Parts: sequence; structure tokens; C-alpha cells
Amino acid sequence: EDKVVQSPLSLVVHEGDTVTLNCSYEVTNFRSLLWYKQEKKAPTFLFMLTSSGIEKKSGRLSSILDKKELFSILNITATQTGDSAIYLCAVERDYGQNFVFGPGTRLSVLP
Amino acid sequence: EPEVTQTPSHQVTQMGQEVILRCVPISNHLYFYWYRQILGQKVEFLVSFYNNEISEKSEIFDDQFSVERPDGSNFTLKIRSTKLEDSAMYFCASVTGTGLYNEQFFGPGTRLTVL
Repeated sequence: EDKVVQSPLSLVVHEGDTVTLNCSYEVTNFRSLLWYKQEKKAPTFLFMLTSSGIEKKSGRLSSILDKKELFSILNITATQTGDSAIYLCAVERDYGQNFVFGPGTRLSVLP
Repeated sequence: EPEVTQTPSHQVTQMGQEVILRCVPISNHLYFYWYRQILGQKVEFLVSFYNNEISEKSEIFDDQFSVERPDGSNFTLKIRSTKLEDSAMYFCASVTGTGLYNEQFFGPGTRLTVL
């Protein structure tokens, strides 16, 4: 059975801290891994990772994929209160067929 | 910037009633999806749709559910006889499907409350 596991499930930090969120997966016919940020409603896209070892960066956020060990990490440096959200990891399985989501990591950044 | 839209934003219905949730995917996208998220739980795949037919569906997507693309723009999810446990946020998503790898864009969701 396909599964995506995220850890930790919940994390509380203070502004300025750096956090690392983990996503591991067991999925047949892996195509890509995506990270989303979910605040109040719909998930908003952060990164898509398809190749191992190539870091993607966007401002204070960065992410990398290890296809051999079947995991990805999302790093957020110098966290701000606006980073408080649920961070979702999803894996695309087969072409356009199905995206399997993990349970999410709830990040709370305190002032 | 093109976006996926969904209507209504909130739907309240009585148990046993039929509901239709509507989505307008991004216009040049080819693959469409419905997901649901029960409050406090993970996003769950319901169904994917391509070339006017279902590509894949999950165990959740039983005979009470159906999807349709009645015209060139709308993509609908119908629940024939709603149950209390159908109360959830329903997200529509779409993917271009023209490239090698596909970013998935989500709509804002419809919150369904079954009383």
C-alpha cells in the first residue's frame, strides 16, 4: 500500500529558529514529490522535486529529495510567525493518476 | 494568474440529500482531481479524471459519488445521498499534463456540512 509519512506531526518554535520537516514515502511508480503549505484553506504549492540531490530554494525555504533513501526534507530558516501552517508532503504516483498525501506537519512559530 | 475556482464555498445539506460541488479547473489543464479533507485530518484522494473518464478512484469513491465534465470548463462532484461522515472540505485540483512533471494547483475548497 502506498504511504507517505511526515515527521514531526507537530512542532513549536520561536521566531528566528531554523526547522527541518521530514517526509518519507513508499510509493509505486514514483514520479515526483511536492511540498505544500496549508494555512486556512487550500494547499499552496511550494516545491516540486524530481531528482535526487538537487536543492530547490525559495527565499528562506529549501528542499531536497533522496530517491535512494525515499525521503525529502523541507528546511525553513529564520522562521517568522507567518510561517505557521500545516506543511504537506505529497507524492505523485504514475502519470497524472494520483497524488498521495502525508498527514502534514503542523508548525507553530511563536513571536 | 490563472487559478482553480470552486463553488459554493460552503454547502449545508440534510443527510440523504444530493449535493453537487462545482469546480472550474485552469483552462489548459488536462487532468482533474477531487480530494477531501475531514477536519483535522489528512488530505485524501478521491478520484482523478482525464480525457472525459475516470483515471483512478480510491476506496472512498463508492457508488454514492460521481464526477462529470458536462462542458469544456466545469468539473463536478456529485454525492447522491449524503451521510454525516461526508462532512469535510472538498478540494478540486488540476494539472497541465502536458509536461514531463506536473505541478498540481488546488482550488479554495468547498466546505460541506451534512446535518
